[in-house]
Amino acid sequence: GQQVMQIPQYQHVQEGEDFTTYCNSSTTLSNIQWYKQRPGGHPVFLIQLVKSGEVKKQKRLTFQFGEAKKNSSLHITATQTTDVGTYFCAGNSGNTPLVFGKGTRLSVIA
Amino acid sequence: NAGVTQTPKFQVLKTGQSMTLQCAQDMNHEYMSWYRQDPGMGLRLIHYSVGAGITDQGEVPNGYNVSRSTTEDFPLRLLSAAPSQTSVYFCASSYSIPGGVNYGYTFGSGTRLTVV
Repeated sequence: GQQVMQIPQYQHVQEGEDFTTYCNSSTTLSNIQWYKQRPGGHPVFLIQLVKSGEVKKQKRLTFQFGEAKKNSSLHITATQTTDVGTYFCAGNSGNTPLVFGKGTRLSVIA
Repeated sequence: NAGVTQTPKFQVLKTGQSMTLQCAQDMNHEYMSWYRQDPGMGLRLIHYSVGAGITDQGEVPNGYNVSRSTTEDFPLRLLSAAPSQTSVYFCASSYSIPGGVNYGYTFGSGTRLTVV
């Protein structure tokens, strides 16, 4: 079945440093989604990418969808303590259920 | 507009007991799903539904039943609880956008279940 791999599993950064997490799928995706989960909380939808090569920005967050629609990345510029949490990518093909990566846990040291 | 409401928030069960985790959404979303989250395992799909009267199995369905009699409600039933079902359970809902894909999921706040 479809698999979504996410790296790294953990990332510790100093406040102000940049952060990137990568997502790779075993199959071509119809869309990729990104979620953030704060410690003790629930996943919160951040963004959805559907077009090959698409790039979207939300303030300090930049999301990319690969040309082959099999990989994606989330880049945070100048991290802040409010960025702490686990970031999940999730994707599917057609009408299949969304498959989540295992997430990247981000710690920010002030 | 409450979004996705899950009850209870916490539950302790004894091995062999049964219970139902409730999930309700007020956004008229046709798609609903249940995930479990375990440390290091990410979110794994248990069951999902694409509309009232339609359900299907996900990645880890054993030991769980679901039904979807209305658009709003999607309860998850544990038939005979086992310690391996200790987890955090999330319900999520979504709707379809042009192109046939689902828009981003709205998650409930979760149910933290411990089976002893």
